[in-house]
Amino acid sequence: NAGVTQTPKFQVLKTGQSMTLQCAQDMNHNSMYWYRQDPGMGLRLIYYSASEGTTDKGEVPNGYNVSRLNKREFSLRLESAAPSQTSVYFCASSEEAGVTGELFFGEGSRLTVL
Amino acid sequence: KQEVTQIPAALSVPEGENLVLNCSFTDSAIYNLQWFRQDPGKGLTSLLLIQSSQREQTSGRLNASLDKSSGRSTLYIAASQPGDSATYLCAHKSYNNNDMRFGAGTRLTVKP
Repeated sequence: NAGVTQTPKFQVLKTGQSMTLQCAQDMNHNSMYWYRQDPGMGLRLIYYSASEGTTDKGEVPNGYNVSRLNKREFSLRLESAAPSQTSVYFCASSEEAGVTGELFFGEGSRLTVL
Repeated sequence: KQEVTQIPAALSVPEGENLVLNCSFTDSAIYNLQWFRQDPGKGLTSLLLIQSSQREQTSGRLNASLDKSSGRSTLYIAASQPGDSATYLCAHKSYNNNDMRFGAGTRLTVKP
């Protein structure tokens, strides 16, 4: 069972470059999320998609855009990377909140912006 | 902003000890609370999920409790093993939005 798959696992960018993090889940979940994790801090929500065709801002959306391509895939784009975006990014999915709300995570994408 | 606090930030115990990890939260409208395990360089693995109507959940040597009135959850690990060494995070989902709020985690080391 693949669960939640993220690519790439590692990426180094220069300031100003752009890139897209890809995420796919095979659990038929409706909700998908992008979090970032920084040392000493809890995970912080960047964007989420409660269902196919909808996206909403989380706690720290500035500098990011997202696309819910279909029910399986949810991508995160950095248009002009900044050193402050150096972090570990996690994609997660869950059944509709009205069901259980249990979150399932990918392995993470480690991004360094120089 | 609703906060989630985990104390202590790090804990080291000898193998075989029973231990308790603490999680406190300020949001009174929680939908559920979830405990995760994170190994170094890895993603988060769900351990236990407690719905707001429940008081505790058990899985093997793990027991998680939820006290909404005091804003606290505990994760009890019985007979700890070196393989339990990891960072443990708690997070809760609120009725007010579709987000989960995470604590910064407790880094547990179980020494052989």
